[in-house]
Amino acid sequence: QQQVKQSPQSLIVQKGGISIINCAYENTAFDYFPWYQQFPGKGPALLIAIRPDVSEKKEGRFTISFNKSAKQFSLHIMDSQPGDSATYFCAASYSGNTPLVFGKGTRLSVIA
Amino acid sequence: DTAVSQTPKYLVTQMGNDKSIKCEQNLGHDTMYWYKQDSKKFLKIMFSYNNKELIINETVPNRFSPKSPDKAHLNLHINSLELGDSAVYFCASRRAAPYNEQFFGPGTRLTVL
Repeated sequence: QQQVKQSPQSLIVQKGGISIINCAYENTAFDYFPWYQQFPGKGPALLIAIRPDVSEKKEGRFTISFNKSAKQFSLHIMDSQPGDSATYFCAASYSGNTPLVFGKGTRLSVIA
Repeated sequence: DTAVSQTPKYLVTQMGNDKSIKCEQNLGHDTMYWYKQDSKKFLKIMFSYNNKELIINETVPNRFSPKSPDKAHLNLHINSLELGDSAVYFCASRRAAPYNEQFFGPGTRLTVL
């Protein structure tokens, strides 16, 4: 049973465009929703995270939108750049020392 | 001043061998994890440790044995390696509550021949 479903599997965006990646979760006990960015040969790096008490969080060009009733959250990358080309993972966890449950990842390619 | 470090970066070995991966974090975190990333890039939890104690073992074969000598270190020993063990293994550490941020190491790519 996949607790966090991520789409699309891959995404090609023109430079300057908006990249949108979506995730849906099943477990309503989840209360922490991060996004990770992974470049080839590197470990996942925390990009931005949100808790369910807010509907949106913005950090620079990266925005998380969160819809608690729909159990969905998404990552928007504004003004996408070739340097943003990487694999993006959504994840979820709940309070305590619980590990992250990851989506299957989205491979983003930003072309000039 | 690497936050989470792992050694080795690459590990190539024959089936049936025993190998270890080491992880160290200098963030002062109490909780550490091992994750496995398969060939399709899917990341899945293997073990969770809190204050040197095992708190989660996610149905991992008992050929895998984590050990935490202190809060800053979490090592992974694998016995009788199999072809299916080939993957990238990531160590991570987590800030104490109420924070949830997890920080990942650079990974160890294990190839079993």
